Amino acid sequence: DQQVKQNSPSLSVQEGRISILNCDYTNSMFDYFLWYKKYPAEGPTFLISISSIKDKNEDGRFTVFLNKSAKHLSLHIVPSQPGDSAVYFCAASWEGAQKLVFGQGTRLTINP
Amino acid sequence: DAGVIQSPRHEVTEMGQEVTLRCKPISGHNSLFWYRQTMMRGLELLIYFNNNVPIDDSGMPEDRFSAKMPNASFSTLKIQPSEPRDSAVYFCASRKLLSGNTIYFGEGSWLTVV
Repeated sequence: DQQVKQNSPSLSVQEGRISILNCDYTNSMFDYFLWYKKYPAEGPTFLISISSIKDKNEDGRFTVFLNKSAKHLSLHIVPSQPGDSAVYFCAASWEGAQKLVFGQGTRLTINP
Repeated sequence: DAGVIQSPRHEVTEMGQEVTLRCKPISGHNSLFWYRQTMMRGLELLIYFNNNVPIDDSGMPEDRFSAKMPNASFSTLKIQPSEPRDSAVYFCASRKLLSGNTIYFGEGSWLTVV
């Protein structure tokens, strides 16, 4: 029972263009969402988050959008850079929960 | 400050052998998580502890898996006996309770069971 789904295992984008990574969730109790980035042979690191009271959160080149009615969130990276090549995990949690539920991950490759 | 420290980084073992993975959380963190990364399911939560007490072990796949946290600075994940399908990357993560939802991961233990 995959409560957080990332349906695209991989994505390839040209350097300088926008990268859009998508995530869907099924549990309506989720009210906090995070994106983690993972390089090979390293652990995932926190990238950006959003609370359900917002529909957008920006941090530099990274923006996360949340559509609660569609139970969908996306991560936009603009402009994409070669160093953005990594696996991106979407995660969700809820008020009072003490754990994060992760998706399967999307491997992003930025081509020069 | 040191991050989450895991050992071993890589382990190759034969089917049927016991495997023990170790984790030292970030100092001051009182919540510890064990995750497993697979291609099919991404990052699966196996078990987590608050203040050294196991809170939710519903993600532990079978009785062959066990986890302990004897003190605030050490946890183990044990697989006995190991099977080839246990081959995966096992991550430990920690955070401070009531300090937000972000958790901090170690670099992982790469397990191969042959």
